[in-house]
Amino acid sequence: QKEVEQDPGPLSVPEGAIVSLNCTYSNSAFQYFMWYRQYSRKGPELLMYTYSSGNKEDGRFTAQVDKSSKYISLFIRDSQPSDSATYLCAMSNFGNEKLTFGTGTRLTIIP
Amino acid sequence: GAVVSQHPSWVICKSGTSVKIECRSLDFQATTMFWYRQFPKQSLMLMATSNEGSKATYEQGVEKDKFLINHASLTLSTLTVTSAHPEDSSFYICSASEPGTPGAGQYFGPGTRLTVT
Repeated sequence: QKEVEQDPGPLSVPEGAIVSLNCTYSNSAFQYFMWYRQYSRKGPELLMYTYSSGNKEDGRFTAQVDKSSKYISLFIRDSQPSDSATYLCAMSNFGNEKLTFGTGTRLTIIP
Repeated sequence: GAVVSQHPSWVICKSGTSVKIECRSLDFQATTMFWYRQFPKQSLMLMATSNEGSKATYEQGVEKDKFLINHASLTLSTLTVTSAHPEDSSFYICSASEPGTPGAGQYFGPGTRLTVT
């Protein structure tokens, strides 16, 4: 079993829809949780980071962490074609230590 | 936000030659940088952790004599692929974490696409 599981997709949704991306993990020591967006042939871009359980909102993006269920989510509201990318979840035991990544979900927003 | 650059963005080399990739933190000092490798449609695989002024820590299965890492300053880390072979062709990405911001995540460079012919 992988430490971090993420549905690779692909996921296609119409423009304006709410997108839900999820990861599950098995290592209860993970404390820091991040979401990255990666466009084709580019490096990952940090979107959101959270510590422990809870919600965090930034514009159209909301990150949720449920440590009791070992489940994290990223919601994208009012999705735009420019949101089409691969989304990677990542987590670590301590801040700025090496990250464990999910496999990434390829998302396409259809105009 | 913190900016990390990489150079070159892409490189083609002949089998048997060595290639050096630079990773720079442009607006902060990074005591720790990370080197990843990514194959098409796959996630990032951590190769090594680079600490300024000390030897890099390599992940299991990564040949340290083949992938030489030097972190000579707080803003520069280099990865040298020695005696490159076609199977070393991949997308190499570095990242750095900003000191004083625990848990704020790592900032990634734009990546370097290496093709070995």
